[in-house]
Amino acid sequence: DVKVTQSSRYLVKRTGEKVFLECVQDMDHENMFWYRQDPGLGLRLIYFSYDVKMKEKGDIPEGYSVSREKKERFSLILESASTNQTSMYLCASNTRVHEQYFGPGTRLTVT
Amino acid sequence: GENVEQHPSTLSVQEGDSAVIKCTYSDSASNYFPWYKQELGKRPQLIIDIRSNVGEKKDQRIAVTLNKTAKHFSLHITETQPEDSAVYFCAASISWKSTFGDGTTLTVKP
Repeated sequence: DVKVTQSSRYLVKRTGEKVFLECVQDMDHENMFWYRQDPGLGLRLIYFSYDVKMKEKGDIPEGYSVSREKKERFSLILESASTNQTSMYLCASNTRVHEQYFGPGTRLTVT
Repeated sequence: GENVEQHPSTLSVQEGDSAVIKCTYSDSASNYFPWYKQELGKRPQLIIDIRSNVGEKKDQRIAVTLNKTAKHFSLHITETQPEDSAVYFCAASISWKSTFGDGTTLTVKP
């Protein structure tokens, strides 16, 4: 079974803090994704990585950065958290053009 | 870029009835169309997918149809059960990128 895990299920941070969300997959997938999920807005792509140290901006990259130093790990960084970044964050991975396997999600609240 | 519209946003049916969710996409280069189901508090999981060289695919009570000319695809669930209640997302994919619809909340009333 493919397993995608995320470092936290729930996170509460203060405005201006630097926030790290980590994602790990165990299936040697080359592609990894970070999405943001808000009610009524579906899944919006923040960043994508297709290989170690490679990244591409998604549809809503502003205010976020990413890091992929190892194939199995993809980190999302909020340099200075703001209240409008309160959301559910989902990580996913896949290989080539195939189904994406999602992590359990991190519900981030910025106060 | 790709734009995916999904309708309806909410759908309520009686147990045993059929449910249909429709999606349209804008980029004719899209070639992979997955459907994901997300139960409350859980992660999205693939339930069925279809590639652009196929018009229809069925897996027990669920089926997906694709009309490439009209650029739309649909999810059909027959004999609905309460455990089918969830949010369903369609997606259209080009190469590595999937663009998701906004989701349909399906409620199956017992």
